[in-house]
Amino acid sequence: EVQLVESGGGLVQPGGSLRVSCEASGFIFSNYNMNWVRQAPGKGLEWVSYISSATTIYYADSVKGRFTISRDNAKDLLYLQMNSLRDEDTAVYYCARGARRQLVDVFDIWGPGTMVTVSS
Amino acid sequence: DIQMTQSPSTLSASVGDRVTITCRASQSIGSWLAWFQQKPGKAPKLLIYKASTLESGVPSRFSGSGSGTEFTLTISSLQPDDFATFYCQQYNSYWTFGQGTKVEIK
Repeated sequence: EVQLVESGGGLVQPGGSLRVSCEASGFIFSNYNMNWVRQAPGKGLEWVSYISSATTIYYADSVKGRFTISRDNAKDLLYLQMNSLRDEDTAVYYCARGARRQLVDVFDIWGPGTMVTVSS
Repeated sequence: DIQMTQSPSTLSASVGDRVTITCRASQSIGSWLAWFQQKPGKAPKLLIYKASTLESGVPSRFSGSGSGTEFTLTISSLQPDDFATFYCQQYNSYWTFGQGTKVEIK
């Protein structure tokens, strides 16, 4: 079964750091581009970061300079290192697979998400 | 940045109703638009991509149309399992989601 499972969420103080992970299974992880998307409580979806299979990386302006995306293809793991966390970073963090559909990636598989709460 | 605006924000409907949700882009995105369904406490689920292509396994009562800046998602006959929040997403330039449309029971 194709699956993504996030982990590592929790409570962190403003200004603190946290790393969340996403474990892939059921497909050849190294062949796929991957993304992080977040959703603040009661709010909509916000794309956060992208990493290609060849490690091209993009970030949303809201996290640029604070968050770092990476991947370990040997372990089928995707990471998001979050530094200098703010209250507004409180959200469920989802990883999403980018699958090629007619030349362009779509987010076809999502994990169940991991909750990150930034609060003192 | 490309902004995506959905309307309405909330829609009240009954089982069997035909439902239409609109999504507008702040600039032309061609047909690079996807629709997702999200139920409370769950991850989003891909329904449609490239504006009108149904993802495998998605019921045929869902359809999408449009190009450029205006798009629609239509549910031809609303089923009990369809009550959820729907999001459009542009993927012409990076990725941006609409604010969501909640479809609730009338």
